[in-house]
Amino acid sequence: QQQVKQSPQSLIVQKGGISIINCAYENTAFDYFPWYQQFPGKGPALLIAIRPDVSEKKEGRFTISFNKSAKQFSLHIMDSQPGDSATYFCAASMTSGTYKYIFGTGTRLKVLA
Amino acid sequence: SAVISQKPSRDICQRGTSLTIQCQVDSQVTMMFWYRQQPGQSLTLIATANQGSEATYESGFVIDKFPISRPNLTFSTLTVSNMSPEDSSIYLCSVGTTDTQYFGPGTRLTVL
Repeated sequence: QQQVKQSPQSLIVQKGGISIINCAYENTAFDYFPWYQQFPGKGPALLIAIRPDVSEKKEGRFTISFNKSAKQFSLHIMDSQPGDSATYFCAASMTSGTYKYIFGTGTRLKVLA
Repeated sequence: SAVISQKPSRDICQRGTSLTIQCQVDSQVTMMFWYRQQPGQSLTLIATANQGSEATYESGFVIDKFPISRPNLTFSTLTVSNMSPEDSSIYLCSVGTTDTQYFGPGTRLTVL
C-alpha cells in the first residue's frame, strides 16, 4: 500500500514533442505529490508538486495532472528540449504524518535533438 | 529552498572500513533525511535524522550499520560501517519543510 508505481521506465522523445510520465499510488492518505528531476552526478531537484485538492498545476512547460479517483498523477513536459534529458522521479507523502517520501522507480528521459 | 552541501563528494574505500558522510545546511531545518540510491535505481530512505534524539530507521536499515548523528539543526552525519561492495551507492541527505524536501548533491561511494 506504500508503493508508488511509475511508468515508463525509459522514454525517448523528439525535440519539441510532449513527454508524459505516469505514476499511480494506493494509499489514499497521501496528500502531497512532487516530481523531481535528476541529472547524472547530481542530487534530485524539485520540479513541480501538487496537492489532491486541484486536478492540474502548470509551471512553464511542466504540468502535473492529478486524478484523485483513479489515484494517478502524471507529468507532462511540453515542447521537450534536449536539456530536459534526465531521470524523473515522482513521489508521494503524507504531510500530516512523518513527511517521509515514497519514490517511484524513475523514468529516464532522452530528448533527441 | 535550502543550500545543502555534502562531504566527501565521492570516495573509494576498502572492504571492512567505515566512512562518515557529512551534510551541512545553510539554515536551520527541523527534518533531515538520509537516502541511498544504488546505480540506476530509485531513492530508498535509510533514516530520519532527529535533532537531540536517536534517528528513526526504515525497515532493512539498522543503527549498527548506519549510525547517524544530528548534533544541531544544520548538520548531520551518516556513517557507513564495516563496508562491503554491496554498499557501493550514492548517499544523499535531504532537508524538509512540512511538505517539500530538498536534496544535497550526494556522496558517491565505491567499496572495493
